[in-house]
Amino acid sequence: NAGVMQNPRHLVRRRGQEARLRCSPMKGHSHVYWYRQLPEEGLKFMVYLQKENIIDESGMPKERFSAEFPKEGPSILRIQQVVRGDSAAYFCASSHSGGSNTGELFFGEGSRLTVL
Amino acid sequence: DAKTTQPTSMDCAEGRAANLPCNHSTISGNEYVYWYRQIHSQGPQYIIHGLKNNETNEMASLIITEDRKSSTLILPHATLRDTAVYYCIVAFGGKLIFGQGTELSVKP
Repeated sequence: NAGVMQNPRHLVRRRGQEARLRCSPMKGHSHVYWYRQLPEEGLKFMVYLQKENIIDESGMPKERFSAEFPKEGPSILRIQQVVRGDSAAYFCASSHSGGSNTGELFFGEGSRLTVL
Repeated sequence: DAKTTQPTSMDCAEGRAANLPCNHSTISGNEYVYWYRQIHSQGPQYIIHGLKNNETNEMASLIITEDRKSSTLILPHATLRDTAVYYCIVAFGGKLIFGQGTELSVKP
């Protein structure tokens, strides 16, 4: 059973370009979470999605950032007009259920975005 | 904001038990205690979780005080590969909020 797959593992963008990060959850998992980790800092929650629905986006910056988890295909975290401060590792996690007992979140190995 | 307090760092001798404390004095009755670790910028790894009772799995043991205001993660025989940042998290469903964690260094 493959784990959470994130791609690309490394992405370099120039200021003003768009970055798209993809996350394929574990088989059978319908809940996806995105986290950001700035250099030398902790993990910050960004958004929690279920198939076709955004459940909690309280950690998403108000502008330039969006996330989706379509009925078919991977979850996408999209960053428009990237700035140097967006340089970070972006981790995706999935779970089987998102109910009262979140249980175990399975994390991917992350996508490292560098903005020049 | 994270609802837990952990020491910033700890050392442990290889082969000895590592006991990592966590305070969560404001935990609600329906919130679980979760432990994760992150080894050198890899994706975080789930270790164990519990509600009221002590729990044990192949990786670790979790001891939760009777009043549930604190807990201890025990790695019974620490190895060099257990060097990581350990996160204690309290949550009820949905997202997990990570604090700063404890940086555990296992030394030979």
